[in-house]
Amino acid sequence: AQTVTQSQPEMSVQEAETVTLSCTYDTSESNYYLFWYKQPPSRQMILVIRQEAYKQQNATENRFSVNFQKAAKSFSLKISDSQLGDTAMYFCAFMAPGANSKLTFGKGITLSVRP
Amino acid sequence: GAVVSQHPSRVICKSGTSVKIECRSLDFQATTMFWYRQFPKQSLMLMATSNEGSKATYEQGVEKDKFLINHASLTLSTLTVTSAHPEDSSFYICSASRLSYNEQFFGPGTRLTVL
Repeated sequence: AQTVTQSQPEMSVQEAETVTLSCTYDTSESNYYLFWYKQPPSRQMILVIRQEAYKQQNATENRFSVNFQKAAKSFSLKISDSQLGDTAMYFCAFMAPGANSKLTFGKGITLSVRP
Repeated sequence: GAVVSQHPSRVICKSGTSVKIECRSLDFQATTMFWYRQFPKQSLMLMATSNEGSKATYEQGVEKDKFLINHASLTLSTLTVTSAHPEDSSFYICSASRLSYNEQFFGPGTRLTVL
């Protein structure tokens, strides 16, 4: 069984600064997918970024980038130039490919961006 | 593309009544749908996985007679909370995936309050 650990329950960052959210996971699978989801106060789950384990290059999406360390089973999210709209809960998630692929979520982290 | 809707967005009901929540994939055929439950400031807890035309697979500890799931078509799954009680009050989220995409697309969620 896979596990996803987000050990920081809350973080705060000043607007325009950079923040890194940490995530570690455990699996015996060799091929898998990792995700970061954002859940703003509306509670709609929004995909922030996705990483395929077989790709060595770290995924980036505008201000969001990941540091994927496969050997260390670490998958941190860096948010650059933080904006007030980044205030949300962020969930790290793991998926092994295949039929009925389930997502295993971490506990989440509440990020507050201060004006 | 890949839009998932849920209806209703919020519902209030009396204890002992049944409530049905619909989850629709609007622009794709969802081979698999997932139902989650989420308490405030907590992570998503997978309740069950359903495939079109098949019985749902429930996670351990989820009462299948309490939470009835039907996946009658490739675009619609329903969750019926039977004989609801105040402890069933929660935020329910569905997601849908399509074959070979290794990604889940989330609905906006339904807030259930049982009085």
